[in-house]
Amino acid sequence: AQKVTQAQTEISVVEKEDVTLDCVYETRDTTYYLFWYKQPPSGELVFLIRRNSFDEQNEISGRYSWNFQKSTSSFNFTITASQVVDSAVYFCALLTLFGNEKLTFGTGTRLTIIP
Amino acid sequence: EAQVTQNPRYLITVTGKKLTVTCSQNMNHEYMSWYRQDPGLGLRQIYYSMNVEVTDKGDVPEGYKVSRKEKRNFPLILESPSPNQTSLYFCASSRDRGRGTDTQYFGPGTRLTVL
Repeated sequence: AQKVTQAQTEISVVEKEDVTLDCVYETRDTTYYLFWYKQPPSGELVFLIRRNSFDEQNEISGRYSWNFQKSTSSFNFTITASQVVDSAVYFCALLTLFGNEKLTFGTGTRLTIIP
Repeated sequence: EAQVTQNPRYLITVTGKKLTVTCSQNMNHEYMSWYRQDPGLGLRQIYYSMNVEVTDKGDVPEGYKVSRKEKRNFPLILESPSPNQTSLYFCASSRDRGRGTDTQYFGPGTRLTVL
């Protein structure tokens, strides 16, 4: 069975602070993919990143960075120098190679950036 | 522009009145799927389709039907909607798993209220 846990239900930080969103996953498969999606107040789901289980290199994209650690089954997401436009619900998701391409989602973290 | 479209975006209906939510993608993707999003539960898969005429149940299929007569379209049908189907619905599509790119791209969402 697959499971994704986002223990932080809501986080609020003041603009320009750094913030890390936690994601812990469970799967028995050795080949899998991890994703982060952003859901802004307008409601759509925006793809942010995809990482496969064989690539533990951390990734940085502008103010966003992701830390993938297989040893702790975590795929955490950090926003540096947060901005009001970062306010959204963020979902972590897991997809296994031999499943039905179903994304197993966490329950999401609502991030509020206070101006 | 590559996209997944859904219609309608908002719908208020009454119990028992059959409705269809359409989903269309212009990326020639083989895989399409429907999810529902509920507070505190994240997104859960309803049905998916690996290709034309191939559909299967996800985690929460009760009360829903789908069809895949054409590659680009994957409508979600509620034969007799009930209030517990009030939710935010997302359609998604991706290329075949064998191609190595499994990122699912989501439509804008359909907010359904069943009274």
